[in-house]
Amino acid sequence: GQSLEQPSEVTAVEGAIVQINCTYQTSGFYGLSWYQQHDGGAPTFLSYNALDGLEETGRFSSFLSRSDSYGYLLLQELQMKDSASYFCAVRPGGATNKLIFGTGTLLAVQP
Amino acid sequence: SAVISQKPSRDICQRGTSLTIQCQVDSQVTMMFWYRQQPGQSLTLIATANQGSEATYESGFVIDKFPISRPNLTFSTLTVSNMSPEDSSIYLCSAGQGTYEQYFGPGTRLTVT
Repeated sequence: GQSLEQPSEVTAVEGAIVQINCTYQTSGFYGLSWYQQHDGGAPTFLSYNALDGLEETGRFSSFLSRSDSYGYLLLQELQMKDSASYFCAVRPGGATNKLIFGTGTLLAVQP
Repeated sequence: SAVISQKPSRDICQRGTSLTIQCQVDSQVTMMFWYRQQPGQSLTLIATANQGSEATYESGFVIDKFPISRPNLTFSTLTVSNMSPEDSSIYLCSAGQGTYEQYFGPGTRLTVT
C-alpha cells in the first residue's frame, strides 16, 4: 500500500520556526510536494523536491531524503496567516502526475 | 498557472439521487483530477480524468458510482450517483500542466440527507 504520515497538529508562536515532518511509503517515487490549505479554501502549492536536499522559497523551505523516505517543510518567521493545514504529497510516478496526499498537519500560530 | 472554477459550490441532496459537479479551467491543461476530502481530513484521489478516453480510477472508486467525463482540455465533470449520507464530503477538482504542480478548484461541499 501507500502511506504518508504527518503529525496531526503543531502549535508555534509568531516569529518562530516550525518543522513539519512527512514519512512516506509508496510503490513509486518521483518527488515530494507540499501544499497549504486554509480552512474552507483550496490547497495551494508550496514546494517540490525531486532530489535529496533543501529547496528554499522565501520563508518556506522543504527537505527530502530519499534513502530515509522522509521529508520536511520548514516555516520561518511564522505569521498568523500561516495558520492552516499543510499536506505532503508524493508523485508516485507513471505518466499521470497524480498525487497521493499525506495525513495533513494543522498548524496553529499563536501571538 | 491555471485558475479553476467549480459548480455548484455547495449542495444538499437527497439519498438516492445523483449530482454532477462541473470543473472549468481557464487554460488548456494536460491533466485533470478529482479528489474527495472530508472536513478536517486529507485529500483522497478518486480518479484521473483523461481527455477523450475513460477515466482512471483509484482503488475503492468505481465508474458506476463516480462517472467522469472530460470532453476537452479545459472541462471535466464528476457525477456522484445514487448518493448516500456517506458521500457527504468536499469534492475537489485539480489540474496540471504535466509538471509537478497541481492547481485546485475551490471545491464542492456536498451534503446528502
